[in-house]
This record gives sequence, C-alpha cells and structure tokens, in this order.
Amino acid sequence: DAEITQSPRHKITETGRQVTLACHQTWNHNNMFWYRQDLGHGLRLIHYSYGVHDTNKGEVSDGYSVSRSNTEDLPLTLESAASSQTSVYFCASSEPGQGLDGYTFGSGTRLTVV
Amino acid sequence: QKEVEQDPGPLSVPEGAIVSLNCTYSNSAFQYFMWYRQYSRKGPELLMYTYSSGNKEDGRFTAQVDKSSKYISLFIRDSQPSDSATYLCAMTLNQAGTALIFGKGTTLSVSS
Repeated sequence: DAEITQSPRHKITETGRQVTLACHQTWNHNNMFWYRQDLGHGLRLIHYSYGVHDTNKGEVSDGYSVSRSNTEDLPLTLESAASSQTSVYFCASSEPGQGLDGYTFGSGTRLTVV
Repeated sequence: QKEVEQDPGPLSVPEGAIVSLNCTYSNSAFQYFMWYRQYSRKGPELLMYTYSSGNKEDGRFTAQVDKSSKYISLFIRDSQPSDSATYLCAMTLNQAGTALIFGKGTTLSVSS
C-alpha cells in the first residue's frame, strides 16, 4: 500500500546543531508539505513543493530549508536548531486533480531542542 | 486576527451527547472546508470536506458551512468514547491539493 513515512519519530538535539527530518511518500504525489504543530497554534505551514526542484516558503519558514530532488522525498533541514523549534513536525502530500481526499499526513516527528 | 479561529476547548461530554465544533474565518476566498481528526501522537486524518456553503452528512458526522457568516461547524451525533480526539478545521482556496490553513484544534473528551 502507498504511504507517507517520517523519520525519525523522536529526536533530541542541541541548540545550534543542524538537523534534517526525512519525509518519504510512495503515493507518487507531486505536492509535498511540511507543517509544525504547537500548543495554541494548530498546524502552521513551513515549506511546500509542487514538484521536483520546486520549493516555496510558508507562514513560518525562517530557520528552515527544503530541497526536492525527486518525487518521493522532501527533507526538512533546520540550519541551526533553536529552542523555539521544539515542536511536532508533520509532512503531507497531495496530488492535483485527485481532490482533497488524497491529502495525506505522516505520523509526525517530535523534535526537542535542548 | 488569524485567518482561522477555533476554540481550543477542552470540551468534555458524556457518551451519547451531540457535539458541536465550530470555526470562523476571515478570508472570503476560501472555497473548501475540511475537518480533520487527530488522535494523540498521530497525524491528522480527514473526516470530511465540503465545497462552498451547505451541509454534508457522513454517518454520525455533519459538516455545515455558512459562507455569508464565514462560519463552519461539525456536529457529532451519539458521541462515543472513540470520538475523543482533537478536531481541526482547515480551509483552502481550491481542491488542487495545495496548502491548507488550519484552526488551532478543539480537544474533545467523551466519557462513558
């Protein structure tokens, strides 16, 4: 079955370190998204991609970067981790023309920056 | 003012109660309105979505959209303990699968 997987599930890192969170989908979706979820804020969009080599900034993109070298993967990099980036990160994917039913989320990565 | 407002609760009800969850929004360009359910330590899963104004029913769940008031609702009839979760409203401009704008989520607890 097609799926979207995130790794790691949990990560503890130190302030100032570079961290990369992985997102891999086998739906062959063109659209991929990164959101972060914090208490009191809901899900907020960090970066998104509408296809290979396409990347766009979302609402809370400062301190994060993404690259899209293939259809399946959209890794999220925290260039220099800060305590404010402690959060739960969700990756999602979708395909234009398949409607909103196919908008699928991963299980999340819980990141703690100490 | 955030684009989408949602009372975070928490909301506690007894089993069998009717639950009403609501969101308001400010961007009149939103056309598609979704409700996601999220269990603890899991990703959001789509419950249902509606286009423009009107009602949509799926089993015990009914979604309502009032675009004139910029107000959407989710009703849960005969609530069950398994409905205990966080419910997130989300909106988007089109159904091309682009970025969603979420409310904060309402945490619901249904006691048996």
